[in-house]
Amino acid sequence: AQSVTQPDIHITVSEGASLELRCNYSYGATPYLFWYVQSPGQGLQLLLKYFSGDTLVQGIKGFEAEFKRSQSSFNLRKPSVHWSDAAEYFCAVGASGGYNKLIFGAGTRLAVHP
Amino acid sequence: GAVVSQHPSWVICKSGTSVKIECRSLDFQATTMFWYRQFPKQSLMLMATSNEGSKATYEQGVEKDKFLINHASLTLSTLTVTSAHPEDSSFYICSASLRGLSSPYEQYFGPGTRLTVT
Repeated sequence: AQSVTQPDIHITVSEGASLELRCNYSYGATPYLFWYVQSPGQGLQLLLKYFSGDTLVQGIKGFEAEFKRSQSSFNLRKPSVHWSDAAEYFCAVGASGGYNKLIFGAGTRLAVHP
Repeated sequence: GAVVSQHPSWVICKSGTSVKIECRSLDFQATTMFWYRQFPKQSLMLMATSNEGSKATYEQGVEKDKFLINHASLTLSTLTVTSAHPEDSSFYICSASLRGLSSPYEQYFGPGTRLTVT
């Protein structure tokens, strides 16, 4: 069965510092991978996605993620964090079995210090 | 484009009553709509998947008689929480999958509905 692991529950960084949020997946074939961001009390916004091709994908708000098949990882990065990036970040993988369902990781809560 | 709305954004109801939450895709036809439940500081838990004109498919452990889902059209799905109890209080989020999208798993999420049962 597919699964997604986000090892870090909370991360705190200083504004302007670089950021990397980890995501590991379990999936037999080439996965469909996503990163979503959720601000407090809001729905989810898609940051970026990977299906095939270039393993380094660019997203919105200056985020990027790199797919590494050998490590079963899809880590999210940003070179310089802004205070407005404080939010909850979810990694997700497309699930097999029909209906195009997503399996979400537990999420990583990002706090940004001024 | 690809905007999903939910109504209401928050609702308070008394224990034993029913409440309906609407999910609409505003500018596209949704092949499939999904309903999630999210507890505070936790991830999204998929409750059910609904396709237009057919019965919803519920995840294991979700009571289909309690959480009624109707997908009446390609732009509207509703979730009715019947005989609500305080333990049903939660944040409910819907999402929609776009017909013909090149990325089949991509979902567009609504802003969520905060349900509080007193």
